[in-house]
Amino acid sequence: GNSVTQMEGPVTLSEEAFLTINCTYTATGYPSLFWYVQYPGEGLQLLLKATKADDKGSNKGFEATYRKETTSFHLEKGSVQVSDSAVYFCALHGSGNTGKLIFGQGTTLQVKP
Amino acid sequence: AAGVIQSPRHLIKEKRETATLKCYPIPRHDTVYWYQQGPGQDPQFLISFYEKMQSDKGSIPDRFSAQQFSDYHSELNMSSLELGDSALYFCASSLGSPRYEQYFGPGTRLTVT
Repeated sequence: GNSVTQMEGPVTLSEEAFLTINCTYTATGYPSLFWYVQYPGEGLQLLLKATKADDKGSNKGFEATYRKETTSFHLEKGSVQVSDSAVYFCALHGSGNTGKLIFGQGTTLQVKP
Repeated sequence: AAGVIQSPRHLIKEKRETATLKCYPIPRHDTVYWYQQGPGQDPQFLISFYEKMQSDKGSIPDRFSAQQFSDYHSELNMSSLELGDSALYFCASSLGSPRYEQYFGPGTRLTVT
């Protein structure tokens, strides 16, 4: 079945540092890929998505490129802010065509001033 | 813009009691998903509905049932509650095709004592 593996956290960075959170996936077919962000005590917010190979999703300075050859969807940001501190989940659609999401285990990002 | 509404936001129940969680999707969204997120865990898919019919089922215990009503709101009914049912329960909604992104509600935090 489909699955997602994320780099383990927590990731601790200083403000304005470069961020990379690795995400690799196993899937049949060509699933859509997503990054969701969860701020403390809140629900999940869609950060960005990509629906086919070589697509680049971007939002709020974050980017991720759908790499089919390496089955990866790494999240990057050039300069993080304290307000980016949150848990980041990589996700894809499960097998079949019902849209359920399969999440990675989440990576906690802490940005220090 | 209208978001997904979940009620209640917090719920405390005792073991063996029942609980009902409600979800009101974004207007015009016809698909509802339920996810369970244990402490420090990634969200796990429970069940989904499309146009009031169950469309997919995940790791949902037999003690739980759910349905989607004619106005597209959904309810998750949980009986014989166990301590292990303590978690955040998220509802998400989407419009039509599974390739469309899911929008998550703020979640209901269920505590079983």
